[in-house]
Amino acid sequence: GAGVSQSPSNKVTEKGKDVELRCDPISGHTALYWYRQRLGQGLEFLIYFQGNSAPDKSGLPSDRFSAERTGESVSTLTIQRTQQEDSAVYLCASSWTGQTHGYTFGSGTRLTVV
Amino acid sequence: DAKTTQPTSMDCAEGRAANLPCNHSTISGNEYVYWYRQIHSQGPQYIIHGLKNNETNEMASLIITEDRKSSTLILPHATLRDTAVYYCIVSASGGSNYKLTFGKGTLLTVNP
Repeated sequence: GAGVSQSPSNKVTEKGKDVELRCDPISGHTALYWYRQRLGQGLEFLIYFQGNSAPDKSGLPSDRFSAERTGESVSTLTIQRTQQEDSAVYLCASSWTGQTHGYTFGSGTRLTVV
Repeated sequence: DAKTTQPTSMDCAEGRAANLPCNHSTISGNEYVYWYRQIHSQGPQYIIHGLKNNETNEMASLIITEDRKSSTLILPHATLRDTAVYYCIVSASGGSNYKLTFGKGTLLTVNP
């Protein structure tokens, strides 16, 4: 596609429920990143994919968070047993490998846990 | 990644040049300076990057001091649509140096 697409754009969920957030990167981009942005804060790195592998998961805040990528394309970030502190905008970006100037971000998924 | 220091906020009049400073006194020789911006409710957008030399593109100019310890992003004719948070990031590029670490940035408000 022309850009990075994320869905849903907004998600409201009840505390304790599981949610799945989807990212469709730019076609051909080998690297994919997930970030989290709490209200009024900067971006927190969560996980990096190179192809379908995740060499860096160091930013995932707890074992309730997991992510996968398939076909060197779509990625899904899953949050289990959501908590109120999980409320944030979850941003996905993709790039050619190693091109940190080439990040293209999606518009994010705004997650609200009530 | 080296840390950067940016003012929390700045104002600029529409049509004037906006000069956004960034200090990165601990930058390493192989680290680039990157600028991204984030307009409200959108994902960050790449603006420009540089290593040693000054750079210019259709969006902005980047001036890096000779000692590379600071830089300035220049928007030559700011418009209301340039109101955004501007992030200055230093990072090596390529290989295993894939990750950008975003700070809190500078909120630039362009006033009519």
